[in-house]
Amino acid sequence: AQTVTQSQPEMSVQEAETVTLSCTYDTSESDYYLFWYKQPPSRQMILVIRQEAYKQQNATENRFSVNFQKAAKSFSLKISDSQLGDAAMYFCAYRSPNRDDKIIFGKGTRLHILP
Amino acid sequence: DTAVSQTPKYLVTQMGNDKSIKCEQNLGHDTMYWYKQDSKKFLKIMFSYNNKELIINETVPNRFSPKSPDKAHLNLHINSLELGDSAVYFCASSQQGGYTQYFGPGTRLTVL
Repeated sequence: AQTVTQSQPEMSVQEAETVTLSCTYDTSESDYYLFWYKQPPSRQMILVIRQEAYKQQNATENRFSVNFQKAAKSFSLKISDSQLGDAAMYFCAYRSPNRDDKIIFGKGTRLHILP
Repeated sequence: DTAVSQTPKYLVTQMGNDKSIKCEQNLGHDTMYWYKQDSKKFLKIMFSYNNKELIINETVPNRFSPKSPDKAHLNLHINSLELGDSAVYFCASSQQGGYTQYFGPGTRLTVL
């Protein structure tokens, strides 16, 4: 069974600095999808970025980028120029391409932004 | 123009009661999901429906019964509520073959 591990329960970063959130996963599949979701205090789940495993190029969305290392089964999220609005729980997630396409979430990393 | 909506957003009830949470999506997606987020923020899939057909049914007590009247709606009915059912329940939707799930705002259920 697939698993997703986020080893950092909490992290803090100074406003305007860069922070990297770690995520590793375990799977025997060769094709899959990876996501980072953000959950601010409003509790809404917001998609931050996604990566298809067959793509070698790392996904980027404005200040958010990933470092996808398929062989190492690692999928870290880098947030550049951190802003106060980035404070939230961040969840790494894995999705199989199979029909039952459920998402498996990590336990989350709570990110604090220090003014 | 809400994409995935849930009602109610908050639900407080007594043990033993029966309650329902409704979910609707206007994205034209054909697959809908229910997730449970516990007090430690852990999110786990409960059910998914594709075109009104149950696809995923994780190890969930049979007090929980999803119902999909059409592909835009997926409701969750819970019988004989227990203290341990207190959680935030999220509805989500996606297009079969697509890989991104879009989440509703969540329903915080508190069982007293």
